[in-house]
Amino acid sequence: GAVVSQHPSRVICKSGTSVKIECRSLDFQATTMFWYRQFPKQSLMLMATSNEGSKATYEQGVEKDKFLINHASLTLSTLTVTSAHPEDSSFYICSAAPPSADTQYFGPGTRLTVL
Amino acid sequence: GENVEQHPSTLSVQEGDSAVIKCTYSDSASNYFPWYKQELGKRPQLIIDIRSNVGEKKDQRIAVTLNKTAKHFSLHITETQPEDSAVYFCAAKVHTGKLIFGQGTTLQVKP
Repeated sequence: GAVVSQHPSRVICKSGTSVKIECRSLDFQATTMFWYRQFPKQSLMLMATSNEGSKATYEQGVEKDKFLINHASLTLSTLTVTSAHPEDSSFYICSAAPPSADTQYFGPGTRLTVL
Repeated sequence: GENVEQHPSTLSVQEGDSAVIKCTYSDSASNYFPWYKQELGKRPQLIIDIRSNVGEKKDQRIAVTLNKTAKHFSLHITETQPEDSAVYFCAAKVHTGKLIFGQGTTLQVKP
């Protein structure tokens, strides 16, 4: 299957700082990547759809100025959590699908803890 | 709106028994239905999927059935083993291309 990597796996930051998370498709090109957030014992909630070369599409209720998404190449999308607060602490996971494929493959996730 | 309902939220079975998880979706244009298994702290892993032109698909101990008319799909695990214990998520691909996930089912297989 296709491989998606994510970095870092864990990050701890102070309140008010910004954190960048990278998502890479290692063996395929992805014009679209997806960013999810998962709170403990809950489902995956789609935050936004990252589109290569254009603006991301955000889900209702997700602040685009707080969660900055950049999809600068066909293999890399980044999510920046700006001015992080403790309530932003969560498990952030990206996914991507190979061209013309339905199946989404997930990255290993990033555990963000905001102190 | 786009919604996927999943039941039950928790399921406990004895090793060797079967487990069934059911999902209902709202978008009649959905045409792809994957099932993911997620272990604690890990990424979701695709275990089986089905497309809308197929009613049933099987892969060893795992099977998925789809009823397009009723907008229901189900995951069946036979001869369960302790290593099947995890959280299982169903999902439906809606007309916009994104996946909508169910709430998840925590499966516990008792030895």
